[in-house]
Amino acid sequence: DAGVIQSPRHEVTEMGQEVTLRCKPISGHNSLFWYRQTMMRGLELLIYFNNNVPIDDSGMPEDRFSAKMPNASFSTLKIQPSEPRDSAVYFCATCGKWDHADTQYFGPGTRLTVL
Amino acid sequence: GESVGLHLPTLSVQEGDNSIINCAYSNSASDYFIWYKQESGKGPQFIIDIRSNMDKRQGQRVTVLLNKTVKHLSLQIAATQPGDSAVYFCAENMAGKLIFGQGTELSVKP
Repeated sequence: DAGVIQSPRHEVTEMGQEVTLRCKPISGHNSLFWYRQTMMRGLELLIYFNNNVPIDDSGMPEDRFSAKMPNASFSTLKIQPSEPRDSAVYFCATCGKWDHADTQYFGPGTRLTVL
Repeated sequence: GESVGLHLPTLSVQEGDNSIINCAYSNSASDYFIWYKQESGKGPQFIIDIRSNMDKRQGQRVTVLLNKTVKHLSLQIAATQPGDSAVYFCAENMAGKLIFGQGTELSVKP
């Protein structure tokens, strides 16, 4: 198995631009999580999906952030418009059964820099 | 102005020694705990987990101990190697969400 796949691995953009991060979960995993990691705040959960349905988006910082999971094999996290304070590493993680406390497996992350 | 980042606790050990990394969790109702290892430039990697009905679980060179009375979790690494150098996070499961600790940086001296 290739594991969780994220793209791009690095993104540099200018303030005000739209940014789209992508995630392909491990095949068969029903739950998908988006995290943000910064030196200031550590690892924060932004939103998670179960069977493609958003369950909890209370961690999404602002309306500028949105996430979708149109099917079981793909999810996007979009920031529009982006701001310098959005600069962070964004991780996608997936697991088999979120409500059974299954192990989450993380992707390699996307390092976002907003100038 | 200058930004202030998290000041990670740091543990420095000699190669070959045993390492013990500690973690305090917040919710007595948490039923599942995981230790992750994060190397520079990579995503967190699963090491070992333990459920709340257990006190101890062993893996290859790693042992996790759970003390529910004081809400404390520890990770023991036997015969620490340079490749073990990384940031280690504990995480507790609360209603399907993982809540991560701030992490401990392990540095292994050759």
